[in-house]
Amino acid sequence: EPEVTQTPSHQVTQMGQEVILRCVPISNHLYFYWYRQILGQKVEFLVSFYNNEISEKSEIFDDQFSVERPDGSNFTLKIRSTKLEDSAMYFCASRGTGTGASNSPLHFGNGTRLTVT
Amino acid sequence: GNSVTQMEGPVTLSEEAFLTINCTYTATGYPSLFWYVQYPGEGLQLLLKATKADDKGSNKGFEATYRKETTSFHLEKGSVQVSDSAVYFCALSGKAAGNKLTFGGGTRVLVKP
Repeated sequence: EPEVTQTPSHQVTQMGQEVILRCVPISNHLYFYWYRQILGQKVEFLVSFYNNEISEKSEIFDDQFSVERPDGSNFTLKIRSTKLEDSAMYFCASRGTGTGASNSPLHFGNGTRLTVT
Repeated sequence: GNSVTQMEGPVTLSEEAFLTINCTYTATGYPSLFWYVQYPGEGLQLLLKATKADDKGSNKGFEATYRKETTSFHLEKGSVQVSDSAVYFCALSGKAAGNKLTFGGGTRVLVKP
C-alpha cells in the first residue's frame, strides 16, 4: 500500500536556526497537510495545501512557517527561525481526490521529531 | 467551528476487558468521522471511519457508530489485547474536498496482561 514518507525521522537544531522538514505524499494525492503534536498533547492542524497554494492555515502557522511543493513529489515545511516551543512531532498527510474524496481519510507519515535546543 | 471532545485517559484495562472511549463532536453540516490510532513511537494510522448518520465503522475488532442525534462516535472493542495499547484519536472532517481533520485530545489506553 502506498505510504506518506517523511525525512528525517528526528531533527535536532539550535534556537534561531532554519529547518526544513520533508515529505513525499502518496503519488496520486492532491491535498497536502502539516500537523504538529507537542509531546503528550493534541494533534494540531498547521496548514493545508492544494493546487500549489495554501488553502487554509491555523493561527500557529505564522510568518516563521512556510510550505512548498518544489517538484512533483516533495512537500516541505520550513521554519525560518526556530524557537524552543517549536519542539514537537510534525506530521505530513495527504488525501486523494476524485469521487468520494471528501469522505476519504488523510494518510499520515510517521512524523519528524523536531527538537530545538 | 468544528471541535471534537473525547474522554481523557489514561484508560487502564486488563486483557480481554471491554473498552469504550467516548467521543462527541460539534460541527456544521454532516461531517465524516474517524478514529485514528497512534502506537508507541509511531505515526497516526486510520482505524475506522463513518461518513453518514447510523453508519458503523469497524476494523480489527473495533467499532464505532455515527450517532447524529447525540453527535457521538464512541469507540468500542469487546475484548482488548496488550497490543491494543496506544493513543486513540477521534477526528472529524467536513465534506468538502480538501477539508482538514480536526482531532480530539487523544485517549491513552494501556492494556495489562
